[in-house]
Amino acid sequence: AQSVTQPDIHITVSEGASLELRCNYSYGATPYLFWYVQSPGQGLQLLLKYFSGDTLVQGIKGFEAEFKRSQSSFNLRKPSVHWSDAAEYFCAVGATSGGSQGNLIFGKGTKLSVKP
Amino acid sequence: EAGVAQSPRYKIIEKRQSVAFWCNPISGHATLYWYQQILGQGPKLLIQFQNNGVVDDSQLPKDRFSAERLKGVDSTLKIQPAKLEDSAVYLCASSSTGFTLHFGNGTRLTVT
Repeated sequence: AQSVTQPDIHITVSEGASLELRCNYSYGATPYLFWYVQSPGQGLQLLLKYFSGDTLVQGIKGFEAEFKRSQSSFNLRKPSVHWSDAAEYFCAVGATSGGSQGNLIFGKGTKLSVKP
Repeated sequence: EAGVAQSPRYKIIEKRQSVAFWCNPISGHATLYWYQQILGQGPKLLIQFQNNGVVDDSQLPKDRFSAERLKGVDSTLKIQPAKLEDSAVYLCASSSTGFTLHFGNGTRLTVT
């Protein structure tokens, strides 16, 4: 069964520092992978997605993610964090089997705090 | 384009009461999803509609939860009777093509 693991529950970084949020997935074939961000009281906003092709994916708000098949990882990165990036980040994999094609399976999320 | 609309934003009920949530997807989106997000966890799919037909409801607690999507547009999710463990944010999402989901702001339900 497909699954997503986000090992870090909470990360704190200083403003201006670089960021890397980890995501590992379990899936037999080439997965469809996503990163979403959720601010308090808001829905989920898509940051970026990987379907195929170039393994380094650029997203909105200066985020990027790299798909590494050998490590079953899809880590999210940003070179310089802004205070407005404080939010919860979710990694997800697209379900491609059975009746739920098109559905997303989410990790438990990583809460990002930014120190001034 | 207008986003996914959900109402109400917040709801507080006592256990054993009933509650209903409403979702209006982005115009033209054939696929509609209801997710449950318990505090500290990622969203979990409850039910997926394609037009007005159910694609997947395998994780919907059918003894107390029900959902419908009349005419393939708006959808309602109902809980009757509610339990304490139903306290969560209920997110609606819609999609015109596979995997590109657009989420609403959710309904936060508190069951006391």
